[in-house]
Amino acid sequence: GAVVSQHPSWVICKSGTSVKIECRSLDFQATTMFWYRQFPKQSLMLMATSNEGSKATYEQGVEKDKFLINHASLTLSTLTVTSAHPEDSSFYICSASKASGLQEGYEQYFGPGTRLTVT
Amino acid sequence: AQKITQTQPGMFVQEKEAVTLDCTYDTSDQSYGLFWYKQPSSGEMIFLIYQGSYDEQNATEGRYSLNFQKARKSANLVISASQLGDSAMYFCAMDTGGYNKLIFGAGTRLAVHP
Repeated sequence: GAVVSQHPSWVICKSGTSVKIECRSLDFQATTMFWYRQFPKQSLMLMATSNEGSKATYEQGVEKDKFLINHASLTLSTLTVTSAHPEDSSFYICSASKASGLQEGYEQYFGPGTRLTVT
Repeated sequence: AQKITQTQPGMFVQEKEAVTLDCTYDTSDQSYGLFWYKQPSSGEMIFLIYQGSYDEQNATEGRYSLNFQKARKSANLVISASQLGDSAMYFCAMDTGGYNKLIFGAGTRLAVHP
C-alpha cells in the first residue's frame, strides 16, 4: 500500500503557457501533500505544503502566484506552473503523508516525479 | 535553523563490501526524525530507513543500518554487502519536528563496482 502517482511523468511546454501536474494517493487518504523541486544533480527543495481544504503554505522564496497548488480532496493535489519560463524547467516531485501534526516516525510516500521542460 | 550536511559528493565501493554514507544534522528541536532515501536514475525516491530522535537503538532494515550518534548529531547510513543495484543517489533528510516537512542534504552518489 501507500502508492503515490504523478501525471504527467514528463511534459514539454512553450514559454508563457501554463502546465498542471497532478499528484494522487492511490490507496490511502493524504491529509498533507508536499511539493518538491529538484534541479539536475541537486537535492530536493521543498516548495510548499498542502493540506486538504486549506491554502498551501509556501516556503520562503517560492512565488505562490506562479506555482498554484490546490488540494481539493484527500487523494489529489495539483501544482500549476503559470506562465512557465525556461528557468522553471525542473523535476517536480510530490509526496503524501497519511496524517498531519506533530508526529515522530512518520513516513512520506513519494510520487515518481514529473520532468518539466519549458522551451 | 535546521540543516542536513552530506560531505561526500561521490563514493565507490566494491560489490559485496560494506559502505558508510555520512550525514550530519543541525536542529534545535528535541523531537525530530532522520530519514535516508535512495534515488536511482529513474528519479523516484525510495524510503530506506528511519531513526527517531528518542530511539535508543540504531535502526536497521535488512542490509541498511543507521549509525545514530545523537551527541555528535550524525546519522550515517551503512549498507552491508553492496549490490550493483545499490548504485544511486542517496539523500539524508530530517523532518522539522512540526508538520513532517523534510529538509534534504545535498546527496551522495554511490557507485558499486563489480
